[in-house]
Amino acid sequence: KNEVEQSPQNLTAQEGEFITINCSYSVGISALHWLQQHPGGGIVSLFMLSSGKKKHGRLIATINIQEKHSSLHITASHPRDSAVYICAVRVQGAQKLVFGQGTRLTINP
Amino acid sequence: SQTIHQWPATLVQPVGSPLSLECTVEGTSNPNLYWYRQAAGRGLQLLFYSVGIGQISSEVPQNLSASRPQDRQFILSSKKLLLSDSGFYLCAWSVRGGKETQYFGPGTRLLVL
Repeated sequence: KNEVEQSPQNLTAQEGEFITINCSYSVGISALHWLQQHPGGGIVSLFMLSSGKKKHGRLIATINIQEKHSSLHITASHPRDSAVYICAVRVQGAQKLVFGQGTRLTINP
Repeated sequence: SQTIHQWPATLVQPVGSPLSLECTVEGTSNPNLYWYRQAAGRGLQLLFYSVGIGQISSEVPQNLSASRPQDRQFILSSKKLLLSDSGFYLCAWSVRGGKETQYFGPGTRLLVL
């Protein structure tokens, strides 16, 4: 079993829909990251969370430390949101990040 | 502002040939540096990280090696490539210490034939 599990693996939705991507982890962490990887491969960091909730534009990320779970929400989704969304955790006391397998999101116009 | 460069962008190499991928960071000092690989259809895997010049930690035993000859330069090498080395190689940096955000380079797509 992977230390970081994301669901769903693939998600297709219509423009305007509310999107939720989930991430569960099984290790103690000091921070959780949400990343976005576009078709060309480039990766952009969206959020870094250690508690609570963060919002940036139409993106919202939440984390529940007790339940070891995080969600990434996209409101009013748009085709340009189509990408792979990756959850990564920084293991407590370590430098490295452990990555989920990613969720491939496709937003159709 | 900080920027991170990787080259080459794409590379096709025969099995058994050597490899050298370079990553440089501008606009910051004493960064933590990372090499990741993303194999086709799989998640990112940390290969190496470095907290300073000449300091390299390896996460996965393999035929790859890394070096950090200068503060903002990180090199990924192999003496003899394997087919299984094909993938997308990403370099990243973060501010030293703590739980800071990692910033990724544009990546190098390597195909070993």
